[in-house]
Amino acid sequence: DQQVKQNSPSLSVQEGRISILNCDYTNSMFDYFLWYKKYPAEGPTFLISISSIKDKNEDGRFTVFLNKSAKHLSLHIVPSQPGDSAVYFCAASVSSGSARQLTFGSGTQLTVLP
Amino acid sequence: DGGITQSPKYLFRKEGQNVTLSCEQNLNHDAMYWYRQDPGQGLRLIYYSQIVNDFQKGDIAEGYSVSREKKESFPLTVTSAQKNPTAFYLCASSIQGGANTEAFFGQGTRLTVV
Repeated sequence: DQQVKQNSPSLSVQEGRISILNCDYTNSMFDYFLWYKKYPAEGPTFLISISSIKDKNEDGRFTVFLNKSAKHLSLHIVPSQPGDSAVYFCAASVSSGSARQLTFGSGTQLTVLP
Repeated sequence: DGGITQSPKYLFRKEGQNVTLSCEQNLNHDAMYWYRQDPGQGLRLIYYSQIVNDFQKGDIAEGYSVSREKKESFPLTVTSAQKNPTAFYLCASSIQGGANTEAFFGQGTRLTVV
């Protein structure tokens, strides 16, 4: 049973346009959400996060939106650049316990076309 | 520079042999994790450790073993009991008990069993 789902395995966007990556979750106990970016044969790198007490967090070209009632979050990248082409994973965690176990989605391959 | 180091980057083993993957961090993080990534799937948690000399099973611990004798090191052994060991393995670490903190990942080890 996948608790974190990324239903779009791939997304192609023209350079300069907005990229919107989506993520749905089922566990209402999740209270912290993260987006990671991953290039082939490398480890994921942290991109941006959001706490469940917020509905939006912005960092430069990246904005994450959280809709708790819909159990949905999205990552907006604007403007998209060719260097943004990578696999994007959303992850969620619960604050109980001291080690933050992250539950990951299956990832979305973003391709930004020049 | 602070970070997480996984070695080797590529590893080949014959079926039936045990193999140990190395993970070292100098971030002074208490918590460490091992994930496995398969094509088209998200990262799945194998084992995690919150403190030295303590570790817990993740979602897919069968066929794996770990040790945490030092804070900096969290080696993963893939045993012959693991039915499908060929995968990309990722080690991560995070602040113990940290609220709203992200996990930092190593560069990964691609294990191929022939």
